[in-house]
Amino acid sequence: DVKVTQSSRYLVKRTGEKVFLECVQDMDHENMFWYRQDPGLGLRLIYFSYDVKMKEKGDIPEGYSVSREKKERFSLILESTSTNQTSMYLCASGGLRGGYTFGSGTRLTVV
Amino acid sequence: AQTVTQSQPEMSVQEAETVTLSCTYDTSESDYYLFWYKQPPSRQMILVIRQEAYKQQNATENRFSVNFQKAAKSFSLKISDSQLGDAAMYFCAYRSFTSGTYKYIFGTGTRLKVLA
Repeated sequence: DVKVTQSSRYLVKRTGEKVFLECVQDMDHENMFWYRQDPGLGLRLIYFSYDVKMKEKGDIPEGYSVSREKKERFSLILESTSTNQTSMYLCASGGLRGGYTFGSGTRLTVV
Repeated sequence: AQTVTQSQPEMSVQEAETVTLSCTYDTSESDYYLFWYKQPPSRQMILVIRQEAYKQQNATENRFSVNFQKAAKSFSLKISDSQLGDAAMYFCAYRSFTSGTYKYIFGTGTRLKVLA
């Protein structure tokens, strides 16, 4: 089975702190994605990557950056957290025809 | 731009009964994929079923089936013989077949409650 692992399940950070959310997949997928999930808004795409060192902005990239130095790892970086970044963050990995495989999510709370 | 709409924020069904979750979408493309994902309280999103738009036959996976109406841009999910383990958030998703990128557009979700 394809596995997508997110490094943290819960995080609590203070406003202004820097946060790294790590995501690792073990299926050699080219495509990896970061979404945030908020009640009533569904999943919104932050950034995605279709190859090592390649990245593209999604629908809500402001306040976020990403890094993909290795094919299996896709990191989401919050340079200076704010309370409006309190959310569930979901990483996904996928191929051409199949659906995504998701990680189990990181619930980030910024206080 | 494509959009996906799930108009039912919450649904309930009795155990062993059948329930249908609605999804409509808007696109100008002729080829695309549609998906239903399930997110139980554990938060792990699980692919339930997939439909390629060029296939006329509705997809089926055990107790889960879809009613794909391409002209109406409708993609509903039917769950037969509902079980307590079906209780979850369900998301409908669209993916372009031809765009060259693989990003999905998700609906806002429908929370399904299964009553014992």
